[in-house]
Amino acid sequence: EADIYQTPRYLVIGTGKKITLECSQTMGHDKMYWYQQDPGMELHLIHYSYGVNSTEKGDLSSESTVSRIRTEHFPLTLESARPSHTSQYLCASSEYRSGMGETQYFGPGTRLLVL
Amino acid sequence: AQTVTQSQPEMSVQEAETVTLSCTYDTSENNYYLFWYKQPPSRQMILVIRQEAYKQQNATENRFSVNFQKAAKSFSLKISDSQLGDTAMYFCALIRANNLFFGTGTRLTVIP
Repeated sequence: EADIYQTPRYLVIGTGKKITLECSQTMGHDKMYWYQQDPGMELHLIHYSYGVNSTEKGDLSSESTVSRIRTEHFPLTLESARPSHTSQYLCASSEYRSGMGETQYFGPGTRLLVL
Repeated sequence: AQTVTQSQPEMSVQEAETVTLSCTYDTSENNYYLFWYKQPPSRQMILVIRQEAYKQQNATENRFSVNFQKAAKSFSLKISDSQLGDTAMYFCALIRANNLFFGTGTRLTVIP
């Protein structure tokens, strides 16, 4: 199991505010991911990173941005929150083992409510 | 086209009984990895079981086992001796092109 942390766990914020969702992992995994998940629904990949200074957009268009300055840290930023951003945001990191392939491990998630 | 399909949005099972959750997927790769993840209500997504496509033997983890049918591109999850703590959303997932694709999930309720 990977140790992966997300803060805050819950956030209620007004429209137009800038917010940063934190994600960190202590396992030294190179690959990290951000998913958006509406309650009881499937996950949608919004950003991922192969390592330091690498960031890529995922399948779901998102107005958020990410950065990867350190291996262990992969924050997600919304410059101007809107009610349509209300969702759960899951961070994940993955390890690759020869003969076993890649496995993703998830953080506890951040539930965001934009009023 | 959906990469991973879970055709059962909701299922229920009596405590101590066995339940099977279905999953089909689409990929043109020969070597890939499949996963079942469990997401309890308001709790963290955790890995339940994984299967390497090149392995013919079905993976098992305690009460959880899979029926992997590569030709049919089917990857079902069997939960034996269901427990109340098994109540959760279950997501089938496939790694393809270095990204993880999830199904829409099956909400499983274990009834006391």
